[in-house]
Amino acid sequence: DQQVKQNSPSLSVQEGRISILNCDYTNSMFDYFLWYKKYPAEGPTFLISISSIKDKNEDGRFTVFLNKSAKHLSLHIVPSQPGDSAVYFCAASAEEYGNKLVFGAGTILRVKS
Amino acid sequence: DAGVTQSPTHLIKTRGQHVTLRCSPISGHKSVSWYQQVLGQGPQFIFQYYEKEERGRGNFPDRFSARQFPNYSSELNVNALLLGDSALYLCASSLDRTSGYNEQFFGPGTRLTVL
Repeated sequence: DQQVKQNSPSLSVQEGRISILNCDYTNSMFDYFLWYKKYPAEGPTFLISISSIKDKNEDGRFTVFLNKSAKHLSLHIVPSQPGDSAVYFCAASAEEYGNKLVFGAGTILRVKS
Repeated sequence: DAGVTQSPTHLIKTRGQHVTLRCSPISGHKSVSWYQQVLGQGPQFIFQYYEKEERGRGNFPDRFSARQFPNYSSELNVNALLLGDSALYLCASSLDRTSGYNEQFFGPGTRLTVL
């Protein structure tokens, strides 16, 4: 069962514009959500996270929004840069699951210059 | 400071063989988790080890086993390899075993190909 879903396999955005990556989850026990970025031949790199007690977290060009009632989160990148081109994974965890992260399938972001 | 290191980077095995993958966590990190990433999917949790004890296990068969050593490094063993075991195996380390603001740092992975 896919508890974390990223329904868009890929996204193409013009440099300077906003990139919006979406993620849905089904398990209401999840209380912490993360976004990871992955380049080819490298491991995932932590980007930004949000606790379920918040609805927004911002770090520079990256903002994550959480809508608990809809079980939906999104990552906004503004402005998008060519170096942002990578695979983006949404992940979720729950206190009772310890360190286990449940990942979505990923979205390939291409930023065109 | 060195990040999470994994060895080997690539490995080719044949069906029925066994394989051992190794991971060294970031210095000071006591928790190591293993994930399997099949092409086109996100990483899937296999194991978590903390202070040398198994603290969590994903939905993987008993052919998969792991252990953690006193220096907190870890090995993942897979017996009786199947074609479907071909994947990128990722190791992640963190300070402790709880969730929340306990960020996990991933290594570059070991690419296993089973022929």
